[in-house]
Amino acid sequence: QKEVEQNSGPLSVPEGAIASLNCTYSDRGSQSFFWYRQYSGKSPELIMSIYSNGDKEDGRFTAQLNKASQYVSLLIRDSQPSDSATYLCAARRGSNYQLIWGAGTKLIIKP
Amino acid sequence: SAVISQKPSRDICQRGTSLTIQCQVDSQVTMMFWYRQQPGQSLTLIATANQGSEATYESGFVIDKFPISRPNLTFSTLTVSNMSPEDSSIYLCSVEPTGDDEQFFGPGTRLTVL
Repeated sequence: QKEVEQNSGPLSVPEGAIASLNCTYSDRGSQSFFWYRQYSGKSPELIMSIYSNGDKEDGRFTAQLNKASQYVSLLIRDSQPSDSATYLCAARRGSNYQLIWGAGTKLIIKP
Repeated sequence: SAVISQKPSRDICQRGTSLTIQCQVDSQVTMMFWYRQQPGQSLTLIATANQGSEATYESGFVIDKFPISRPNLTFSTLTVSNMSPEDSSIYLCSVEPTGDDEQFFGPGTRLTVL
């Protein structure tokens, strides 16, 4: 059973701090990894995709991938209350395969 | 990314009835998908909507219950048939633009079955 695991949280982080969200996956054949943000009552919104080992930065967001250890993480710098949401991690083998979704981590940024 | 709309945004239905959800994209896309998200849960893929052929259903989902149409590269419908309260959920359409590995979601349809 291919799985993507996330801590459900909630993860509480003070405003201005770095929020660190983690995700592990079981399928070593996974090639593509995605982080989505989902506000309550809204649909998932793609934040970042990452395909190679290492870091990928986009504004306040940094995705990190370590294929040897089979984990993906998302760092949010200078956390804002507006970052409070559920963050979903997803992985797939390739474009002809379905996304395998984690259960999501609820993040709360405290002012 | 593509602009995706879904209709209706929400509905309350009686058990035993059917509801058809529409998904419209502002550009042609190769892949369209239908997901279900139950309260507090992650996403479950129902099926891949294939243009010009029958949809590909995931385990636990059948065509009689969730018929899907995909008449062209910008539009798809999902019907939830013979509804029961267990079908109460958010139904999401997603698309994968041609040549892209990323999926983008529509705003969702919140369905409540009484």
